[in-house]
Amino acid sequence: GAVVSQHPSWVICKSGTSVKIECRSLDFQATTMFWYRQFPKQSLMLMATSNEGSKATYEQGVEKDKFLINHASLTLSTLTVTSAHPEDSSFYICSARSGIHEQYFGPGTRLTVT
Amino acid sequence: AQTVTQSQPEMSVQEAETVTLSCTYDTSESDYYLFWYKQPPSRQMILVIRQEAYKQQNATENRFSVNFQKAAKSFSLKISDSQLGDAAMYFCAYRSGDTGTASKLTFGTGTRLQVTL
Repeated sequence: GAVVSQHPSWVICKSGTSVKIECRSLDFQATTMFWYRQFPKQSLMLMATSNEGSKATYEQGVEKDKFLINHASLTLSTLTVTSAHPEDSSFYICSARSGIHEQYFGPGTRLTVT
Repeated sequence: AQTVTQSQPEMSVQEAETVTLSCTYDTSESDYYLFWYKQPPSRQMILVIRQEAYKQQNATENRFSVNFQKAAKSFSLKISDSQLGDAAMYFCAYRSGDTGTASKLTFGTGTRLQVTL
């Protein structure tokens, strides 16, 4: 199957700072990328969907000014958590899809805000 | 809106035995896809099996098979000859057959599968 990478795999940042997470599709062009958040022992919660070159579509209740998503190319999407606070600590997973085909997931990024 | 329900928070199976994980969904659409994903302790989501709603034949992938009952909106996963490596969280997911690229996955709450010796 296709490979999606995420970087970093684990990041610790101080409250009030911003942190950027990268998501790359390594061997296919991702027309659509998805960002999820997962709390311990819970399901994946979709945060936003982005199409290359377009603004992201955020799910209800997700602050778009706090979680900035950029999908500048067909292989790269970034999620920036701005002015992070301890409640933003979570596991963030990206997923990528080419057209209507299969959706592949990255390995996730653990964010800890101190 | 579509919903996906997994009523078994946890299941346990002995190695080499068979276990069935349940999933029901609610939709008014006729064209859609159903998936089972596995999330092991590494937390990497892995696609286990996929079923197109228009196909009557149940999907099979090696030891994994589904029982797709479209009228009942049921989509259970059967794991045969269970192995220790099957221990993971299993998520059932729904996706609209809408060809729009924004169609997204709706996940159930998950079933944690334990495999014992």
